Amino acid sequence: AQSVAQPEDQVNVAEGNPLTVKCTYSVSGNPYLFWYVQYPNRGLQFLLKYITGDNLVKGSYGFEAEFNKSQTSFHLKKPSALVSDSALYFCAVRDMRGNDMRFGAGTRLTVKP
Amino acid sequence: DSGVTQTPKHLITATGQRVTLRCSPRSGDLSVYWYQQSLDQGLQFLIQYYNGEERAKGNILERFSAQQFPDLHSELNLSSLELGDSALYFCASSVVTSGGSYNEQFFGPGTRLTVL
Repeated sequence: AQSVAQPEDQVNVAEGNPLTVKCTYSVSGNPYLFWYVQYPNRGLQFLLKYITGDNLVKGSYGFEAEFNKSQTSFHLKKPSALVSDSALYFCAVRDMRGNDMRFGAGTRLTVKP
Repeated sequence: DSGVTQTPKHLITATGQRVTLRCSPRSGDLSVYWYQQSLDQGLQFLIQYYNGEERAKGNILERFSAQQFPDLHSELNLSSLELGDSALYFCASSVVTSGGSYNEQFFGPGTRLTVL
């Protein structure tokens, strides 16, 4: 079965600095990969996805993610962090045959002014 | 606003009781997913329905059941509740194309269940 790992429980960055939230995945065949963000007391919001094609995917709020097949990674990035980016970030994977999406444990991003 | 609605927002009940959580998907979405989010287990997939039929099952306990009605709304029934069932329960919906789905899911605001 497919799975994802988010190796960092917490990431702290200063406002204006670049940020990276890491994700690695395990799946049979080609993956469908997703990033979601969760603000306090809210549901998850879709940020971006990788299906096929260009390894660099651009999403909402200036976020992007890079798919690396050899390293089975799909790291989330942003060139310049904002305090308002502070939230819980989830990576998720689905294989081409399966119907359930597997989520990572989440990474709490804190951006300090 | 994702377009997915869930009721109630909060639910407080006692051990051994039964509750029903309700979800209305986005207009046009045929697929509904249920998730449980707790501090120690993270976000766990419970079950998926597509156009009224069960499509996939995850870590759903036998005490839990779900269904999707002809109008596509879904209900998650939790019975013989235990303290450990206290969690946030999310519903999500998506468009599902044939041959599997690469479409993102849209999440509702969740129902916070507290079992005392």
